[in-house]
Amino acid sequence: GENVEQHPSTLSVQEGDSAVIKCTYSDSASNYFPWYKQELGKRPQLIIDIRSNVGEKKDQRIAVTLNKTAKHFSLHITETQPEDSAVYFCAATVLFGNEKLTFGTGTRLTIIP
Amino acid sequence: GAVVSQHPSRVICKSGTSVKIECRSLDFQATTMFWYRQFPKKSLMLMATSNEGSKATYEQGVEKDKFLINHASLTLSTLTVTSAHPEDSSFYICSALNGREGFVAKNIQYFGAGTRLSVL
Repeated sequence: GENVEQHPSTLSVQEGDSAVIKCTYSDSASNYFPWYKQELGKRPQLIIDIRSNVGEKKDQRIAVTLNKTAKHFSLHITETQPEDSAVYFCAATVLFGNEKLTFGTGTRLTIIP
Repeated sequence: GAVVSQHPSRVICKSGTSVKIECRSLDFQATTMFWYRQFPKKSLMLMATSNEGSKATYEQGVEKDKFLINHASLTLSTLTVTSAHPEDSSFYICSALNGREGFVAKNIQYFGAGTRLSVL
């Protein structure tokens, strides 16, 4: 089955700086990679996703990059703000396959004011 | 965006009782829902896939007789923790798969707010 590794487990950045979270996956059949943000005690919320037919996707301050050859994908947050503090999970699945998401272990991001 | 409602948000019960958790997709039909368990400061562990009109598919190591799943309709799945024990205490989260938004094919899981189960 799929195995997703995520690094770092914790990340602290100064407000206004950029944050990068990296994930690797093992199953070359995976073709859909969503990122979820979970604030303390709340539900995970989809913040951005990318399909394997593109290498990069951007939505305002958030971007995701994908390297299919290396089986890497990364989340980039620029101009970080205190409200970006949360736990971020990457995930991988086969689109319209078994639909199951395999999650990374999570990154606790803390933005220092 | 799509909304998934999960109830109750918190349950405290005595050991040996059964607890039912409901997961509803409020503004879309979900033929597939998922049940996860999340330990403190840990990732989401998939327990089972709930399919409308058929039996749930359980992940390896998850006892199907312990965690009963019923996908009664296209908008409702329930998880019943039978004869709960303290080791079942955890945060349980459901998600519903929204396969379509308008005419666009999608494959997005929307999560419920979770249920914190505490078994005394």
